[in-house]
Amino acid sequence: GAGVSQSPRYKVTKRGQDVALRCDPISGHVSLYWYRQALGQGPEFLTYFNYEAQQDKSGLPNDRFSAERPEGSISTLTIQRTEQRDSAMYRCASSSETTYEQYFGPGTRLTVT
Amino acid sequence: LAKTTQPISMDSYEGQEVNITCSHNNIATNDYITWYQQFPSQGPRFIIQGYKTKVTNEVASLFIPADRKSSTLSLPRVSLSDTAVYYCLLDDNFNKFYFGSGTKLNVKP
Repeated sequence: GAGVSQSPRYKVTKRGQDVALRCDPISGHVSLYWYRQALGQGPEFLTYFNYEAQQDKSGLPNDRFSAERPEGSISTLTIQRTEQRDSAMYRCASSSETTYEQYFGPGTRLTVT
Repeated sequence: LAKTTQPISMDSYEGQEVNITCSHNNIATNDYITWYQQFPSQGPRFIIQGYKTKVTNEVASLFIPADRKSSTLSLPRVSLSDTAVYYCLLDDNFNKFYFGSGTKLNVKP
């Protein structure tokens, strides 16, 4: 079906507010990944899930960042008490059980003012 | 995470073959070498993956020497549309990718 989708595509928020970023993976893909990408840099790994289980969250910068995937499909990355340094492109990717390719979504551009 | 080292940028002309080399001196036995391409304002896109020797698909070839401490992505006869950032990654099957800063390829007419 369709590729990975993310919403919103753009988010502007004030410092101190909480934000929730959504990722809808390719149907049937068991693995889902979150990355953060600063301008001119490669994607920085944050966390990933196999089905609903969070396998690795070592890339999350601090405890203001959290992610969930309660039913093994859609995932939400939540940033609490946002700070200006959180401004970046947040990318989601998914992969199937049988291939190693990650398929990336269009990203959410987060701007914290 | 084992890291990789690539040139920051490369220039080429349309029709030329481009070879981008990546160093990964600390590659582990179970690491696969994977390359992604990223256009501006888009997410990365998988190009090719290999473990040793040579792998070829419809868009690129990947050359890996016996010691696996480096790899070379070869793009035949590049066009302007191949202008992008190319990332070399090591995939240890634990699904944790380190992208680095990549190589910015600029193809000129």
